[in-house]
Amino acid sequence: GENVEQHPSTLSVQEGDSAVIKCTYSDSASNYFPWYKQELGKGPQLIIDIRSNVGEKKDQRIAVTLNKTAKHFSLHITETQPEDSAVYFCAAIGGGFKTIFGAGTRLFVKA
Amino acid sequence: GAVVSQHPSRVICKSGTSVKIECRSLDFQATTMFWYRQFPKQSLMLMATSNEGSKATYEQGVEKDKFLINHASLTLSTLTVTSAHPEDSSFYICSARDPGRGNEQFFGPGTRLTVL
Repeated sequence: GENVEQHPSTLSVQEGDSAVIKCTYSDSASNYFPWYKQELGKGPQLIIDIRSNVGEKKDQRIAVTLNKTAKHFSLHITETQPEDSAVYFCAAIGGGFKTIFGAGTRLFVKA
Repeated sequence: GAVVSQHPSRVICKSGTSVKIECRSLDFQATTMFWYRQFPKQSLMLMATSNEGSKATYEQGVEKDKFLINHASLTLSTLTVTSAHPEDSSFYICSARDPGRGNEQFFGPGTRLTVL
């Protein structure tokens, strides 16, 4: 079945450094790839997304890249801040609108 | 825009009781809503897809008689956990798809269910 693998499961960085989270999907029909940030006790919040006809998208300190051939997509956070600490989930969605989530990455930004 | 609310935000109940959770799209009409369950330190697991006016589609391993889903209108879907047991304690999250925005889904804030 469809699967999304996400790495690393935990990431610890110093404030100001960059953080990179990588995902791989299995369903070649997937065409929409959102990234969510989830804080403790809250629902996921969309932070950035990319569609299959685009290779890269940037929004201030956050960027996402997509390699459709390799079925890889990555989240890049630059100049990390303590408030970036949270769990981040990648996801892949195909034509049936079914969202397949990665396992999540717990990001710690140390001040 | 694209706000999804859930009610209640947290509920504690006794084993054997039923609990209803509401998911509402506040500023758009959602033809499709999704229900997820999330255990501590785990990812979101899709339980079912709810389409307005029709029966929900359940994922493998999810008991449809235990988790009753009703999507009676374009802005409301409900999940009822029947005869709840302690193992049903979890964080339940809904999301709604806005047909006008393609594949984007908007998530509710979640409902923390604790069954004693």
